[in-house]
Amino acid sequence: DAKTTQPPSMDCAEGRAANLPCNHSTISGNEYVYWYRQIHSQGPQYIIHGLKNNETNEMASLIITEDRKSSTLILPHATLRDTAVYYCIVRDRGTGNQFYFGTGTSLTVIP
Amino acid sequence: DARVTQTPRHKVTEMGQEVTMRCQPILGHNTVFWYRQTMMQGLELLAYFRNRAPLDDSGMPKDRFSAEMPDATLATLKIQPSEPRDSAVYFCASGAQRGQETQYFGPGTRLLVL
Repeated sequence: DAKTTQPPSMDCAEGRAANLPCNHSTISGNEYVYWYRQIHSQGPQYIIHGLKNNETNEMASLIITEDRKSSTLILPHATLRDTAVYYCIVRDRGTGNQFYFGTGTSLTVIP
Repeated sequence: DARVTQTPRHKVTEMGQEVTMRCQPILGHNTVFWYRQTMMQGLELLAYFRNRAPLDDSGMPKDRFSAEMPDATLATLKIQPSEPRDSAVYFCASGAQRGQETQYFGPGTRLLVL
């Protein structure tokens, strides 16, 4: 699976959009981009995933660049409950089921 | 609201004792994963099962760890004998192998070995 690079930490003002970047320059054509988050002392929580097209669900939006070498997770209106570690993962749909979580981005939403 | 459940949520034991952690995957999911999380190593995959058969346990110390799925509704992770370095949070996740699979995590078992 491709390696991902994320900033170790970010702050965001409550009510503002939180934009979390992820670089995956070695991603291959079969690999999806997944985002999970982990709130303190809880299990990781699935947020969203995508292959090429931008995706949106009730939690967030995922923007993937045309060359697929990077992506951005957008939380449109961050709340204090969005404070968590956010993991960007790329995974091949065809080979195994393992998620390699890396170190993620620690997002702090500030009142 | 379907969820992965894990028991116990917390466990304190002494070195050398046996520890058994249990996981109930989401009904209908046919893949189960065990992860371990520590401050130093982050989230590591220990083992995973598909249709109750172990597919990969290369992340698991073989001499003391064992993972099984006695039936489709129960997965177990056992440590015997336990050691202080096994202290961690152990997460179970389940998924449905169709299309692009998403893993859903349980709340974890927080293990402390004294």
